[in-house]
Amino acid sequence: GEKVEQHESTLSVREGDSAVINCTYTDTASSYFPWYKQEAGKSLHFVIDIRSNVDRKQSQRLTVLLDKKAKRFSLHITATQPEDSAIYFCAARSNYNVLYFGSGTKLTVEP
Amino acid sequence: ETAVFQTPNYHVTQVGNEVSFNCKQTLGHDTMYWYKQDSKKLLKIMFSYNNKQLIVNETVPRRFSPQSSDKAHLNLRIKSVEPEDSAVYLCASSPDWGGSYEQYFGPGTRLTVL
Repeated sequence: GEKVEQHESTLSVREGDSAVINCTYTDTASSYFPWYKQEAGKSLHFVIDIRSNVDRKQSQRLTVLLDKKAKRFSLHITATQPEDSAIYFCAARSNYNVLYFGSGTKLTVEP
Repeated sequence: ETAVFQTPNYHVTQVGNEVSFNCKQTLGHDTMYWYKQDSKKLLKIMFSYNNKQLIVNETVPRRFSPQSSDKAHLNLRIKSVEPEDSAVYLCASSPDWGGSYEQYFGPGTRLTVL
């Protein structure tokens, strides 16, 4: 099955700086890559996704890049704010609409 | 309010007991899921149902059994809990089976097995 590796387990940035979280996947058939955010003590909620027919998608301060050849995708957050502090999970969708998640990156935005 | 609801929030039990968790979504979605999130925050799919039919069973021990009465409800029963079952169980739903739609997660049920 699909294996998703999330490279940074923790990431600390200063408020206003950019943050980048990188993920790789193994299954070339995966075609959908969402990102989820989990704030302390809360459940997951969706932040942004990208499909394999594009290599870049932006939503306000968030940009996702997809490199299908390298089987790599990344989340870029610009102008970080303290409320961006959370655990971010990348995921890849398998053939059965099942999401396989990375291990999470704990992002801390310091004031 | 439309969302994914889970009960109970927490459950503490002894090894060997049976537990049941409930999940209901009022989003009108066709597909529901159970995930397990362990103490290291690792998230793993357990089951996926589409319109009451089991679609995916990801190498889950037999003591776990999902139950779906209709497409809005997906419950999880654990027949004889073991210490490694301690985790947060997250229920989620998505609009359609075939599409790549976002999944909406419930607040989770935290299980502690003593």
